[in-house]
Amino acid sequence: NAGVTQTPKFQVLKTGQSMTLQCAQDMNHNSMYWYRQDPGMGLRLIYYSASEGTTDKGEVPNGYNVSRLNKREFSLRLESAAPSQTSVYFCASSEAGLEQYFGPGTRLTVT
Amino acid sequence: GENVEQHPSTLSVQEGDSAVIKCTYSDSASNYFPWYKQELGKRPQLIIDIRSNVGEKKDQRIAVTLNKTAKHFSLHITETQPEDSAVYFCAASKGSNYQLIWGAGTKLIIKP
Repeated sequence: NAGVTQTPKFQVLKTGQSMTLQCAQDMNHNSMYWYRQDPGMGLRLIYYSASEGTTDKGEVPNGYNVSRLNKREFSLRLESAAPSQTSVYFCASSEAGLEQYFGPGTRLTVT
Repeated sequence: GENVEQHPSTLSVQEGDSAVIKCTYSDSASNYFPWYKQELGKRPQLIIDIRSNVGEKKDQRIAVTLNKTAKHFSLHITETQPEDSAVYFCAASKGSNYQLIWGAGTKLIIKP
């Protein structure tokens, strides 16, 4: 059981470049989430998917798009990266809105 | 909107002493209250949670108490150890299909 996996672990982008962060879970959870965590700060929800086929905006959705590809996979896309998007990105999954299991995170730097 | 306030932002205690972190929530419909621990450079992990039909829950050295009337809940860590040093986050949820509303975090420092 791998739990929640994320790729890549690290990424450096130049301003204006695009990229997709991948997330997959093998726990058969219905709900999946994308958070960002800036240095020394808390977790801010970007987008979430309560179930396969649905996605909703969280607290900080601007500059991001998501795709719930299937029950296992939930990707986050940055269309035109900006230095303000430098952060650690965590994917998480849960069942019935209860305990969230987090992936190891992607450390993104935008120069 | 819904809000969870967490205090203090930093807590420094002597090894072996107890630590208490408090959270207040705004939405009276909230019914699930988890606590997460995040060690430096790691992912957040659940350490204990409580549902609204229970007033207190214990797991070895950690406990959580819930006061629904006052809309606050607290994390208690007894006999603190160096490995308890981390950032602790509280959260609240109305349950299925709802997102967790997170507190801002408390950095717990255990002094030797």
